[in-house]
Amino acid sequence: AQSVTQLDSQVPVFEEAPVELRCNYSSSVSVYLFWYVQYPNQGLQLLLKYLSGSTLVKGINGFEAEFNKSQTSFHLRKPSVHISDTAEYFCAVSFDQTGANNLFFGTGTRLTVIP
Amino acid sequence: GAGVSQSPSNKVTEKGKDVELRCDPISGHTALYWYRQSLGQGLEFLIYFQGNSAPDKSGLPSDRFSAERTGGSVSTLTIQRTQQEDSAVYLCASSVVREQYFGPGTRLTVT
Repeated sequence: AQSVTQLDSQVPVFEEAPVELRCNYSSSVSVYLFWYVQYPNQGLQLLLKYLSGSTLVKGINGFEAEFNKSQTSFHLRKPSVHISDTAEYFCAVSFDQTGANNLFFGTGTRLTVIP
Repeated sequence: GAGVSQSPSNKVTEKGKDVELRCDPISGHTALYWYRQSLGQGLEFLIYFQGNSAPDKSGLPSDRFSAERTGGSVSTLTIQRTQQEDSAVYLCASSVVREQYFGPGTRLTVT
């Protein structure tokens, strides 16, 4: 079965501390991986993506993620968070199969940066 | 350039009424998706349009939901005989290749 799991529903972290938001997936086919951020009352903004090539991808706002095929993970990291990073973060996966290329989303992780 | 736009931003309707939600994709994007975001169900895929092909309706929750895309551009999602469980934020996305860009959403409240 194909699925996306974000184990942490909430992650509090102090300002300027590092953070890692976890994402795991289950799939029998190749995958394309994404992280989106959602600020209050706004739509989803693409943070970064893995389509092919280097497994370490860098995105906007200083975020990066690493695709680990053996562990079926795509964890999001930032070395030093800011207050403005407080938001909901969604991991999303597109499965390499015929038909729709729709995204399957995790349940989201609410990151709260504490001053 | 201009991103994906959706209208209205908020819609309050009475149970049993029909509603139409509009999406204007990014110019040149051939694929268009509708998703629904609700507290109980998270983010769910509803329907997918790709060029002139028949849409993939596999995510629509009931036959009260339908969508069309005119001229390969603007799309309208229609919900007939709305129910309280239809209350959610409806998100539209357009894409080139596999990278999807989302609009701000329409918050639908059914009273």
